[in-house]
Amino acid sequence: KAGVTQTPRYLIKTRGQQVTLSCSPISGHRSVSWYQQTPGQGLQFLFEYFSETQRNKGNFPGRFSGRQFSNSRSEMNVSTLELGDSALYLCASSLGETSLGTSTDTQYFGPGTRLTVL
Amino acid sequence: SQKIEQNSEALNIQEGKTATLTCNYTNYSPAYLQWYRQDPGRGPVFLLLIRENEKEKRKERLKVTFDTTLKQSLFHITASQPADSATYLCALATYSSASKIIFGSGTRLSIRP
Repeated sequence: KAGVTQTPRYLIKTRGQQVTLSCSPISGHRSVSWYQQTPGQGLQFLFEYFSETQRNKGNFPGRFSGRQFSNSRSEMNVSTLELGDSALYLCASSLGETSLGTSTDTQYFGPGTRLTVL
Repeated sequence: SQKIEQNSEALNIQEGKTATLTCNYTNYSPAYLQWYRQDPGRGPVFLLLIRENEKEKRKERLKVTFDTTLKQSLFHITASQPADSATYLCALATYSSASKIIFGSGTRLSIRP
């Protein structure tokens, strides 16, 4: 079974631009979560989508948004990029919704998209 | 405030010894806790999950304990090998926070031959 794929793997943007990142979950997985990882803040939760609905959201500004399609693929968008948005953006898929506390919660991470904002 | 802390940023041990990593949390009501391994340039890989009502879980050379009284999880790698060198992350799942899964900052483990 193919793992989680993320595209693109690397991206360079300038301040003020916007960016869209894509994530394809493992086949059959319905939950997709997004995380931002930086050396200073570690891995921080952005949001989770399950069955095309946002189930949970972390403490990030409204410039960060996402969506999930009927085939469970997900995109996240960051508008008006700032230097501090430079990070590794990770997507994780799971069979079930991660807030349920069940065995279907196990998250499988993709390789990430390395975003650099200049 | 709510925090998850992993005891040290880096840990260096001799091959063959047992590596013990610590994850402490405050002001959370945990549902379960997970441990992940992350290699440079790659996403985290799930290792073990332990629930709030479980004391210990094992998987091959890995063992995790969970003490909700001490608010602490210990992660052990027995008979450590250089291939175990990586960053290890603990992640707490809680029903009491808007961010349902919170990650620690990680411990970089180095196993020297």
